[in-house]
Amino acid sequence: QQQVKQSPQSLIVQKGGISIINCAYENTAFDYFPWYQQFPGKGPALLIAIRPDVSEKKEGRFTISFNKSAKQFSLHIMDSQPGDSATYFCAANIRTGTASKLTFGTGTRLQVML
Amino acid sequence: DAGVIQSPRHEVTEMGQEVTLRCKPISGHDYLFWYRQTMMRGLELLIYFNNNVPIDDSGMPEDRFSAKMPNASFSTLKIQPSEPRDSAVYFCASSPSRGLETQYFGPGTRLLVL
Repeated sequence: QQQVKQSPQSLIVQKGGISIINCAYENTAFDYFPWYQQFPGKGPALLIAIRPDVSEKKEGRFTISFNKSAKQFSLHIMDSQPGDSATYFCAANIRTGTASKLTFGTGTRLQVML
Repeated sequence: DAGVIQSPRHEVTEMGQEVTLRCKPISGHDYLFWYRQTMMRGLELLIYFNNNVPIDDSGMPEDRFSAKMPNASFSTLKIQPSEPRDSAVYFCASSPSRGLETQYFGPGTRLLVL
């Protein structure tokens, strides 16, 4: 129930195209869904996040779509650029007492080709 | 702020040796997390602290792993004795009490146990 399933494992997109990464979860106690971006040799960094009372959140070229009934959420990268090439992790947050605990998906390696 | 600082960045050791990984969280952050990242298992939460106190160590793989946080600005993750299967990238992350769903990751320590 703590798992977050992410797909695809890897993705190749042409420059200017749309990149779509999908995640699914089971635990309805999750209350916050961030996406992290990780470049080689670096730690993951928060990219964008959404709460389950909202169906969509957009920040620049990055959009999260959230479907509460289906327990699915996805990251869309519009006008993908070579600089977007990185590994993307979805995550789901659950509160345990006074703390928050993130469960991460397995990651999607995105390559944007010129 | 310098962000989360981890040392060493790379560690190569032989099976059976003790390994100590170090982390300095962002000043003012009350929560500190240790993660392990491998290709096979992705990002796994090992343990987290709140105000220097370990809250949840259910992710620590076995008794060979231990973590301490003697003060608000320093934490260690120790593996004794180390085994080849411990080879991974170990990340430290911290978060503030307010907005604690957002975790700030360090650059990681890449550990290779021969």
